[in-house]
Amino acid sequence: GIQVEQSPPDLILQEGANSTLRCNFSDSVNNLQWFHQNPWGQLINLFYIPSGTKQNGRLSATTVATERYSLLYISSSQTTDSGVYFCAVVKAAGNKLTFGGGTRVLVKP
Amino acid sequence: KAGVTQTPRYLIKTRGQQVTLSCSPISGHRSVSWYQQTPGQGLQFLFEYFSETQRNKGNFPGRFSGRQFSNSRSEMNVSTLELGDSALYLCASSGPGTAEQYFGPGTRLTVT
Repeated sequence: GIQVEQSPPDLILQEGANSTLRCNFSDSVNNLQWFHQNPWGQLINLFYIPSGTKQNGRLSATTVATERYSLLYISSSQTTDSGVYFCAVVKAAGNKLTFGGGTRVLVKP
Repeated sequence: KAGVTQTPRYLIKTRGQQVTLSCSPISGHRSVSWYQQTPGQGLQFLFEYFSETQRNKGNFPGRFSGRQFSNSRSEMNVSTLELGDSALYLCASSGPGTAEQYFGPGTRLTVT
């Protein structure tokens, strides 16, 4: 099956810093989503981005489908950005999401 | 619009028992998928239902089963619970015109 790898696995930031999270996938995909998992376990949608670039406030994402990677940018990080960020892809028809292992982000005040 | 809801939120069961978890999708969404999250295996796909039919199935034993009702609500059942079934079970729905999936808050199952 398709492999999804996220890097780095852990990231410690000082409040106000910028960062880039990466997601590599091993095959062509139909869909790609980025999620933030809150402390209670719920996955919060950040971006639905099978290709191209999107921005939402301090967050932006870029997917280069032909090169099989996606990037999530966090600018001017805040303590509320702490948590685990997941990238997930759908390879074929249907809605089976394959998740990466996540990047655990800690933003220190 | 209300989001995806899951009940119960927390559950404690004993090894060998069975459990049923429920998921109500966003109104108008007909696809419901289930995922298991454990510290060791991460987030893994269990199955997907669309219009009351199982459309995709992950690599889990037959003790894990599901169904979907005509109102798109879905249930998953785990029989003969094992300690390793302790996990956060997440449900997601998606609707017409988009493949974007939206997740519920999850059910945290502990098997003792």
